[in-house]
Order: sequence, then structure tokens, then C-alpha cells
Amino acid sequence: RKEVEQDPGPFNVPEGATVAFNCTYSNSASQSFFWYRQDCRKEPKLLMSVYSSGNEDGRFTAQLNRASQYISLLIRDSKLSDSATYLCVVILYNFNKFYFGSGTKLNVKP
Amino acid sequence: DGGITQSPKYLFRKEGQNVTLSCEQNLNHDAMYWYRQDPGQGLRLIYYSQIVNDFQKGDIAEGYSVSREKKESFPLTVTSAQKNPTAFYLCASSTWTGQELDTQYFGPGTRLTVL
Repeated sequence: RKEVEQDPGPFNVPEGATVAFNCTYSNSASQSFFWYRQDCRKEPKLLMSVYSSGNEDGRFTAQLNRASQYISLLIRDSKLSDSATYLCVVILYNFNKFYFGSGTKLNVKP
Repeated sequence: DGGITQSPKYLFRKEGQNVTLSCEQNLNHDAMYWYRQDPGQGLRLIYYSQIVNDFQKGDIAEGYSVSREKKESFPLTVTSAQKNPTAFYLCASSTWTGQELDTQYFGPGTRLTVL
């Protein structure tokens, strides 16, 4: 079983739509969580950290559900420029390891 | 500007040759990492280093070697023993307190093609 799993998509949505991705993790000892964005043929870039209480950054909202072991990313009012692959990342401090999901591809269409 | 640089951006290699990919950071980060990404797939960890002169194998270290002689630099050598080296190679760094890792930041990557 993979440490971190994501629906690969693609999610095809029109501009202005709201879209949500989930990411599940297998190890309950996981301690830090992040969402990264990766454009085609580019490096991943940090989008936002995910805090236990949930957090928002403009049109983006991240949430953590420890009981069910998943994190989510909600994008409101999608823009064409939001088209990318979104990676979730989990840190296990006990093992000094980062675990990356394979990513969810988002296509925002005019 | 602080950041991570990787060179070259594109690299072509003949079968049987060793090649070295450069990674330099001026973020004063202690920990550095090498990942490999294949088309349509996630990142796989090759090697990582948390302090100078020390490094650990990741999930797919076979056919690769690294060194960490300076805090700023973590070069990766792809040897001829690596059976399928064509991929996108990403270097990353993060702070490391000795107890906690922090967010990773990535360089722009090197795209290696074996001819």
C-alpha cells in the first residue's frame, strides 16, 4: 500500500467552478502536510501547508482530517492558470521522510 | 536571490557513460534530496543528506551515487549501472533541526535522456 494516495484525475472543470481534491495517507504517525503545485515539465512549488484547524489562502482552502487520514484542497472560482498537477506531501518525523502523492491533474477550461 | 540551482537543464548521455548532475543551494538548508520523476508518475527518492559528509539511500538508490562535501552542494552521479536513467531529476532542500524537517524547496530540474 502506498503511503500517500491521490486520484490522478484529470479533473476537467470550467472557469469559475469550485473543485476539490482529496489525498489519503496510510500512516497515522504522519505529522506535517502540504500541497504542492507542479506545472508541466517544471519543478513542484509549495502551494500551502495544511494545518489541523484548516487554513485558507485566497481562493484555496486546505483541510486535514486526522480521524479519516486524509487532507483536502478546495479551489474556488477556478482560473485557467490553476491548470496544473497538485501533489500532496506528508512528513513522518519518526522516519525523517517526505512522502509525495503521484498528483491530481486539473484542467480548467474556458 | 536565495534558491536552488541545477545544471544542466537538459543532458544527453550515451549508454555506458556516467554523468554528474549539479545541485547548489544558498538557502542555508541542512538537508538536501534527489528525486527522480518519470512521465505521469510521482517523485521517487534517490538519496538524501541531512548534514555534510553524511547521506542516506532513498527508495531507488541503485545505479546512483552522491557526495556532500559542502553544505551548499549535493551532486548526483548517474552511473552506467542505472538501467533506465532517462527521467526528470529534481533536487530539493529543507531545514533540519535535528528533530524536525521543514518544507522542501525544489530546483528547476535536469532532464536526462540516454541515447
